[in-house]
Amino acid sequence: RKEVEQDPGPFNVPEGATVAFNCTYSNSASQSFFWYRQDCRKEPKLLMSVYSSGNEDGRFTAQLNRASQYISLLIRDSKLSDSATYLCVVNQFINTGGFKTIFGAGTRLFVKA
Amino acid sequence: NAGVTQTPKFRILKIGQSMTLQCTQDMNHNYMYWYRQDPGMGLKLIYYSVGAGITDKGEVPNGYNVSRSTTEDFPLRLELAAPSQTSVYFCASSYQDTGDSSYEQYFGPGTRLTVT
Repeated sequence: RKEVEQDPGPFNVPEGATVAFNCTYSNSASQSFFWYRQDCRKEPKLLMSVYSSGNEDGRFTAQLNRASQYISLLIRDSKLSDSATYLCVVNQFINTGGFKTIFGAGTRLFVKA
Repeated sequence: NAGVTQTPKFRILKIGQSMTLQCTQDMNHNYMYWYRQDPGMGLKLIYYSVGAGITDKGEVPNGYNVSRSTTEDFPLRLELAAPSQTSVYFCASSYQDTGDSSYEQYFGPGTRLTVT
């Protein structure tokens, strides 16, 4: 089982639609959670951190469910510019005192006019 | 701040050639990373560094070497290039504090490498 799993998609949605992505992680020692966005042929960039209480940034809402070990990203009122790959990222503490970052393989989103 | 910069942007190598991919960050981050991303695939960690003078292997280190003589620079060396090393290479950096895992990684724009 992969440490971080995402549905690769692609999700094809019309403009204005609401779309949701889930991501599951296998290690309960995971501490911090993020959604990154990667445009075609570009570097990944942080979209938002995911907090235990859930958080919202404009049209984007991220939630964390520690009991079920998954995080979600909800995009409302999709725009053409939302077309990208969304990466689920998890930081886990390791026994050396540091932590490691694990990237999911990404979920591709295409928003159509 | 320039953030994370990488050179070159593109490179074509012949099989067996060697090259160094350069990475520099100006954010005084202690952690730096090298990833490769094959077409349509996720990121794979090659090497990382927790500070100057300290490096460690990631998931796919074979065929690569790194050094970290300064906080700012983290070059990746390819020896004896092979077609399997055709990929996009991303350098990233982050600030890590003991006990706090909430810091994000900042990525450079990538180097597109083709080995033929």
